[in-house]
Amino acid sequence: GESVGLHLPTLSVQEGDNSIINCAYSNSASDYFIWYKQESGKGPQFIIDIRSNMDKRQGQRVTVLLNKTVKHLSLQIAATQPGDSAVYFCAENLTQGGSEKLVFGKGTKLTVNP
Amino acid sequence: GAVVSQHPSWVICKSGTSVKIECRSLDFQATTMFWYRQFPKQSLMLMATSNEGSKATYEQGVEKDKFLINHASLTLSTLTVTSAHPEDSSFYICSARRHWDTDTQYFGPGTRLTVL
Repeated sequence: GESVGLHLPTLSVQEGDNSIINCAYSNSASDYFIWYKQESGKGPQFIIDIRSNMDKRQGQRVTVLLNKTVKHLSLQIAATQPGDSAVYFCAENLTQGGSEKLVFGKGTKLTVNP
Repeated sequence: GAVVSQHPSWVICKSGTSVKIECRSLDFQATTMFWYRQFPKQSLMLMATSNEGSKATYEQGVEKDKFLINHASLTLSTLTVTSAHPEDSSFYICSARRHWDTDTQYFGPGTRLTVL
């Protein structure tokens, strides 16, 4: 199940199950969104992205859904594997003052139980 | 392609000393590099945007005199934490962006700084 800790929400799933990780973003003007996977002690790793003119995009075992009406993103991982255990962050590409920058969400720690 | 490295991967220093962290784009030219800080169990927070040949742009609340950024070439940006204190202990991550692709940031592996 999913729980919200002091800083980092957690999600525990059984190997082989599908995982859904949710994210709320803040700026309705953001036009590009990315999901990253971060393993302990490492930098973020790109998973999948989506532009604001789309509401769904699929990759290998991953799908991102975008709901602009409620400013919500989700990442679906099919047939979750132990190697998927990591912290997952969504990020929105924000244009501010003529420059672009990424704003990261709080992250969700995914634990896959064998 | 699009590999970003950081050096060192970890560093331990005494309070009051300065520490320099390097961020290199190994196989592409990066007109813009970004520096992030990540405390345990928290998200990445952008500290500053570093543009080659010009002064860095710092986010609100980040002291530019404490976190010195130099982006002297298209493949190297450095972050110097001056007069480090225990509260500066964190995971520092850089990313780099090609001039023609403003959407994509390539992240480095991070540098763990521990200030005693």
